[in-house]
Amino acid sequence: DAGVIQSPRHEVTEMGQEVTLRCKPISGHNSLFWYRQTMMRGLELLIYFNNNVPIDDSGMPEDRFSAKMPNASFSTLKIQPSEPRDSAVYFCASSGSGFSYNSPLHFGNGTRLTVT
Amino acid sequence: GDSVTQMEGPVTLSEEAFLTINCTYTATGYPSLFWYVQYPGEGLQLLLKATKADDKGSNKGFEATYRKETTSFHLEKGSVQVSDSAVYFCAPWTTDSWGKFQFGAGTQVVVTP
Repeated sequence: DAGVIQSPRHEVTEMGQEVTLRCKPISGHNSLFWYRQTMMRGLELLIYFNNNVPIDDSGMPEDRFSAKMPNASFSTLKIQPSEPRDSAVYFCASSGSGFSYNSPLHFGNGTRLTVT
Repeated sequence: GDSVTQMEGPVTLSEEAFLTINCTYTATGYPSLFWYVQYPGEGLQLLLKATKADDKGSNKGFEATYRKETTSFHLEKGSVQVSDSAVYFCAPWTTDSWGKFQFGAGTQVVVTP
């Protein structure tokens, strides 16, 4: 079990640039979550997919943020254009079923994004 | 929706001291309760869980008991190690959550030698 894999681990970009974060969930998991972590706001749920379908994107802060899950083994979170206040650690997590207490979340190691 | 209140950190203590992190929750229905831990530079990982009232979750020397009457799920460890330095998150979960974990602010624990 390779765990949830996120790339890149670190991303530094200039304001206005497009940023794409990538996530490969654990094979067989059918729920995928994107979280953002900052000192000020803590851990925020951005969007949640079940069986590749976005279920709830109410946590996506602005239209500059978009997320896709084209298949069961890959998801992206895109920010276009990026702004300094987007600087944070972005986590992807997956679980066997978003609706079962027996299936905890498995987190990746995150992408640390810095927008200058 | 579900929510959780954790004691503020940082909590600083010496090795072999007793650790308690308080957690109270509000949730519709009967939630399952989880503690997650985040070590420096890593994502969160499940520490322990309890799925019904009076259940006790335990792992790595940590314990927490599901107290329905007080809506609490306090985390305890009798003798901490430097390697327990991390941020700890309490999270309730119910089917009404639609599978979404709403984490609290987390409590940073610093254990000194």
